[in-house]
Amino acid sequence: GENVEQHPSTLSVQEGDSAVIKCTYSDSASNYFPWYKQELGKRPQLIIDIRSNVGEKKDQRIAVTLNKTAKHFSLHITETQPEDSAVYFCAASNTGGFKTIFGAGTRLFVKA
Amino acid sequence: NAGVTQTPKFRILKIGQSMTLQCTQDMNHNYMYWYRQDPGMGLKLIYYSVGAGITDKGEVPNGYNVSRSTTEDFPLRLELAAPSQTSVYFCASSYPQKALPYGYTFGSGTRLTVV
Repeated sequence: GENVEQHPSTLSVQEGDSAVIKCTYSDSASNYFPWYKQELGKRPQLIIDIRSNVGEKKDQRIAVTLNKTAKHFSLHITETQPEDSAVYFCAASNTGGFKTIFGAGTRLFVKA
Repeated sequence: NAGVTQTPKFRILKIGQSMTLQCTQDMNHNYMYWYRQDPGMGLKLIYYSVGAGITDKGEVPNGYNVSRSTTEDFPLRLELAAPSQTSVYFCASSYPQKALPYGYTFGSGTRLTVV
């Protein structure tokens, strides 16, 4: 069945450094790729997304890139801050957004 | 505008008991979903609904049932609770139109323990 692989499972960076999380999807019909941030004990929250007709999208310190040919997409966080510490989930879905498949998550630690 | 509201926030069940997790949204979203998240793990889809009267199974539907009688409400029913159903349950909704994000709005979760 369809799946989304996410790497690394854990990432530790120094405050101010960049963090990169990578995902690979299997379903060629996927055309929407959201990223969610989940702080400890809280609900996942959408932080950025990208559609298949766009190769890159940026919002302040976060950016996403998509390579449809390779079925890869990545989250880039620059100038990391302690409040960026959380679990990040990538996801892939088809038109309409239902049956979204989530990656297993990346636990990001930003050390002050 | 409350978004997605889940109740209860916490519950302890004994093996074999039943309960209903409530979920309601006030954003007029067509699509609603139930996910479970085991400790340190990702999200697994239990059931989803694309509109009132329409539901379908996700990855892990066994032991659960849902109904969608209105656009706003999407309750999840656990029958004969088992320890394997100990998890955090998230309800979510989305609005599938091209001009709007497909991203999910999640509820705050229900932490369920079966003992």
